[in-house]
Amino acid sequence: AAGVIQSPRHLIKEKRETATLKCYPIPRHDTVYWYQQGPGQDPQFLISFYEKMQSDKGSIPDRFSAQQFSDYHSELNMSSLELGDSALYFCASSLSRTSGRVPFFGPGTRLTVL
Amino acid sequence: GNSVTQMEGPVTLSEEAFLTINCTYTATGYPSLFWYVQYPGEGLQLLLKATKADDKGSNKGFEATYRKETTSFHLEKGSVQVSDSAVYFCALSPTDSWGKFQFGAGTQVVVTP
Repeated sequence: AAGVIQSPRHLIKEKRETATLKCYPIPRHDTVYWYQQGPGQDPQFLISFYEKMQSDKGSIPDRFSAQQFSDYHSELNMSSLELGDSALYFCASSLSRTSGRVPFFGPGTRLTVL
Repeated sequence: GNSVTQMEGPVTLSEEAFLTINCTYTATGYPSLFWYVQYPGEGLQLLLKATKADDKGSNKGFEATYRKETTSFHLEKGSVQVSDSAVYFCALSPTDSWGKFQFGAGTQVVVTP
C-alpha cells in the first residue's frame, strides 16, 4: 500500500540558511499534518492543512511557513535556521479531518543544522 | 490543555515476558486514544487505537482499553519478542482538532533474548 512520502530524508544546513521539506500524502488523502521531534523528545504538532487551507496551528515558529498545494502535497519552509531546529520532521496524512480517520505518518526528514 | 503521561523507560524485559506500559491522559471532551511505535531510525507506526470509552484496541498481540473512569489507556502484551524492541508513544487526538496529537514522552522497550 502507498504510504506518505517525505523528501529529502536527510538534510544538512548551516545556521541562518533556509530549508524546504516536502510531504506527499497517501493518494486521496486531503489532510496533512506536520510534527517536529527533537532528540529524545516526543513529537510536537506544528501545523495542519485540510483542502489546501490551514486547519490548525500549534507551536510553529514564525520563521517557519507551510502550505498545501492543489495536488495535496505540502511544503514546510524554514528560514533563518537555528541549531535548535535540528530535529526529525514528520508529515502525516489522513482522509479528511473527520474524527476516526487515522493519520498515517511518513518516515520523516532528519534536519541537522550546523 | 490536553496532556499525556506515560511511564518512563527504558523498560528491559526478557523474551516471552509480559509487557505493560502505563498511560494516563488529561483532556476535555472525549478524545480518541492511540499507541504508536517507533523503531530505530524510522517513523511512527500506528499500533492500535480506541475512539470511545471501553473500546479495546488490539494489534499484533498488543492490547489497550480506553478507561474513561481512570483516564487511562495502558498498553499490554502477553509475550514479547526481541522484534518488539522500540519506543512506544501514547497519544490522544481531540475530536474538535482531529489529528492534533498530544503525545506522551515515549517509553523505550528493550527485549533481550
